[in-house]
Amino acid sequence: QKEVEQDPGPLSVPEGAIVSLNCTYSNSAFQYFMWYRQYSRKGPELLMYTYSSGNKEDGRFTAQVDKSSKYISLFIRDSQPSDSATYLCAMREETSGSRLTFGEGTQLTVNP
Amino acid sequence: NAGVMQNPRHLVRRRGQEARLRCSPVKGHSHVYWYRQLPEEGLKFMVYLQKENIIDESGMPKERFSAEFPKEGPSILRIQQVVRGDSAAYFCASSQRQVANYGYTFGSGTRLTVV
Repeated sequence: QKEVEQDPGPLSVPEGAIVSLNCTYSNSAFQYFMWYRQYSRKGPELLMYTYSSGNKEDGRFTAQVDKSSKYISLFIRDSQPSDSATYLCAMREETSGSRLTFGEGTQLTVNP
Repeated sequence: NAGVMQNPRHLVRRRGQEARLRCSPVKGHSHVYWYRQLPEEGLKFMVYLQKENIIDESGMPKERFSAEFPKEGPSILRIQQVVRGDSAAYFCASSQRQVANYGYTFGSGTRLTVV
């Protein structure tokens, strides 16, 4: 079983839609949770960062962490064609130094 | 400010040759991480280095792979006697502090193709 499971998609939505991206994980030691966006042929860029459980909002993006269910989500409101990319969740233990464990990514296309 | 610079962007090697991938971290960052992304897979941690030290190499294959981050110059990921299964995108990231609570800055990657 993978430590982090993420539906690879692809996910296709119309412009303006609300997008929900999700990851589940099995390692209860994960404490730090991140979402990265990766455009084609580019490196991942950090979108959102959350410590432990709770919600965090940044513009059109909201990250949620539910540690009791081992489930994290990223919501994108008013999605734009420029949001078309692969979204990767990543996690880290308190004691794993700086090593991140990534999901395999969800490919999102927002159609104009 | 330049971000993480990786070169070459694309590298083609024949089976059995050596591949050298270079990574220059963000100016002022002394911590470097290498990840590999196989087709249709997420990024997998390979190694974490500080200047002149390997801190965590738990993700490195035991044979043929090595990494260094010398006092001067870029970090180098070296793959000896490449095989087709080494074809992947290799990403380098850097951070200013050891525990990057805010995540890293990634480079654009080197895409290695073994023919």
